[in-house]
Amino acid sequence: NAGVTQTPKFRVLKTGQSMTLLCAQDMNHEYMYWYRQDPGMGLRLIHYSVGEGTTAKGEVPDGYNVSRLKKQNFLLGLESAAPSQTSVYFCASSYLTNTEAFFGQGTRLTVV
Amino acid sequence: GQQVMQIPQYQHVQEGEDFTTYCNSSTTLSNIQWYKQRPGGHPVFLIQLVKSGEVKKQKRLTFQFGEAKKNSSLHITATQTTDVGTYFCAGRNEKLTFGTGTRLTIIP
Repeated sequence: NAGVTQTPKFRVLKTGQSMTLLCAQDMNHEYMYWYRQDPGMGLRLIHYSVGEGTTAKGEVPDGYNVSRLKKQNFLLGLESAAPSQTSVYFCASSYLTNTEAFFGQGTRLTVV
Repeated sequence: GQQVMQIPQYQHVQEGEDFTTYCNSSTTLSNIQWYKQRPGGHPVFLIQLVKSGEVKKQKRLTFQFGEAKKNSSLHITATQTTDVGTYFCAGRNEKLTFGTGTRLTIIP
């Protein structure tokens, strides 16, 4: 049972480049979340999904897009990366809103 | 939108001292969860509180949910070096909104 898997684990991008972060969970969870973590800022919600085919904006959605075409996968896209998007990105999933969330190992993204 | 604040941001304690972190939400929560993140790691679920005024214990950790379901606290008795990390509360409605976290460091 792999839980929540994020790929890649590390990435360096040049300003203006695009990329997609993949989150995959094998627990049949309905809810999936993308967060970014910056020093002193805690975990800030970027986008989330309450089920296959649904997405919704979190606290800091600008500059990011997401898709949930399959229940087990939640993709986070950066269309034109900016240095302000340098961060550690975490994906999480949960079965319901009153059950624990499981996190992936994180993706460390640097935009130069 | 919903905001969840935590204080203090940092706490340095001598090993064996107690530690408390406080969490306050701008809105009433259906439940609140607590997570621990070790340095370099990812958040790991500790506990969930659902009922107004609820108190739960896990060994040396005591968690409380306020009567109005807008605040919560985590108290650790007699800290150990294994308690090092950042403790987050997270308010749950449809979203899972994290507090700013309290980083605990232990002086041996």
